[in-house]
Amino acid sequence: QVQLVQSGAEVKKPGASVRVSCKASGYTFTNYAIHWVRQAPGQRLEWMGYINAGNGDTKYSQRFHGRVTITRDASANTAYMEVTSLTSEDTAVYYCTRKERGMSFPFDHWGQGTLVTVSS
Amino acid sequence: QSALTQPPSASGSPGQSVTISCTGTSSDVGGYNCVSWYQQHPGKAPKLMIYEVSKRPSGVPDRFSGSKSGNTASLTVSGLQAEDEADYYCSSCVDNYTWLFGGGTKLTVL
Repeated sequence: QVQLVQSGAEVKKPGASVRVSCKASGYTFTNYAIHWVRQAPGQRLEWMGYINAGNGDTKYSQRFHGRVTITRDASANTAYMEVTSLTSEDTAVYYCTRKERGMSFPFDHWGQGTLVTVSS
Repeated sequence: QSALTQPPSASGSPGQSVTISCTGTSSDVGGYNCVSWYQQHPGKAPKLMIYEVSKRPSGVPDRFSGSKSGNTASLTVSGLQAEDEADYYCSSCVDNYTWLFGGGTKLTVL
């Protein structure tokens, strides 16, 4: 069955960077895109960006452009999302989610989420 | 646009029906048939309930249905059950190949 397993919770100081991993199994990794979505405490879901796991192409929300980098290691079926220059407003649960390539397809499987806490 | 517009809350008694709206623009909800709906219980990851406006993934009860008119999509939950109590989020693709989520609606089963 399709599984997306994310790395564990992180605590970071303001100004630091964090990298979250998302290991996929149960499907052909390079046939899909991996998107990243975050949710601050008590807040809505917020789309951050995605990577085409096949060719490595990326696209980011303008809100995060320049501070977020999404990469993948196709040989390890793993995607990564790095956020730099962290502030307290980046405290959130970060989710990876799988999406078939093509605009109409939904986010059909989700990782368990990774809590990133930014605190001095 | 930073988010699609959803009512913050909705409620209904067991067995009743409730409809949640999701309003966007012609650049997102109104321009494409890529609206999807997600159910999220506290502390859990979102779960896909409806995709491409009105399609249900296997395993999702047929009590859940979706529709769209113009720039507004809707999720209807019929025959409300206690386990339907959750947050619901709509999502849409946008014409610059990005995605938006709604602000979320907390559904309470009275």
